[in-house]
Amino acid sequence: KAGVTQTPRYLIKTRGQQVTLSCSPISGHRSVSWYQQTPGQGLQFLFEYFSETQRNKGNFPGRFSGRQFSNSRSEMNVSTLELGDSALYLCASRDARGLVAQYFGPGTRLLVL
Amino acid sequence: SQELEQSPQSLIVQEGKNLTINCTSSKTLYGLYWYKQKYGEGLIFLMMLQKGGEEKSHEKITAKLDEKKQQSSLHITASQPSHAGIYLCGADVTGANSKLTFGKGITLSVRP
Repeated sequence: KAGVTQTPRYLIKTRGQQVTLSCSPISGHRSVSWYQQTPGQGLQFLFEYFSETQRNKGNFPGRFSGRQFSNSRSEMNVSTLELGDSALYLCASRDARGLVAQYFGPGTRLLVL
Repeated sequence: SQELEQSPQSLIVQEGKNLTINCTSSKTLYGLYWYKQKYGEGLIFLMMLQKGGEEKSHEKITAKLDEKKQQSSLHITASQPSHAGIYLCGADVTGANSKLTFGKGITLSVRP
């Protein structure tokens, strides 16, 4: 099976702009979670989607949002970008049946200037 | 304070040596996951532990979970340069199994 894919891999934006990141989970996985990784805060959970519904949410402002499509692909949107949003954004998918591991994609490196 | 503390922060070992790194939680563990990351890249899943006393091995890596201490250890036998990277432990502390809390990671360097 193909792994989790994320596009784009790299992105440069300026403050105030908005950005949309995409994640395609492993085939058959219906749960997609998003994480932000920065040198200062480490890896932090953003939100999880399952069957097109947000099931869990981390402690991030409302500028961070997401959605999931019927084919389980997910998008994450950040509006009104701030310098502090520069980070590696990782998505992870899992087969939501039972207690199983999350498998991560390669990430999208976002730089906000 | 961090919910998940990893120790040591970094480690440099000579190729061929054994090493152990640790992950301690301040909250009840419903599941403990070990991942490896090359800088700036995605996380590679290593092992998942769920029950107290559980021990799993894959190639030269063994992970154990001490439920009473809320601690997990990862042991690498006869380290190789390919073991170098950042080791992250992630924990399910809510029981939801979807929202993982991660430690800061341990940077491992292996000298040839």
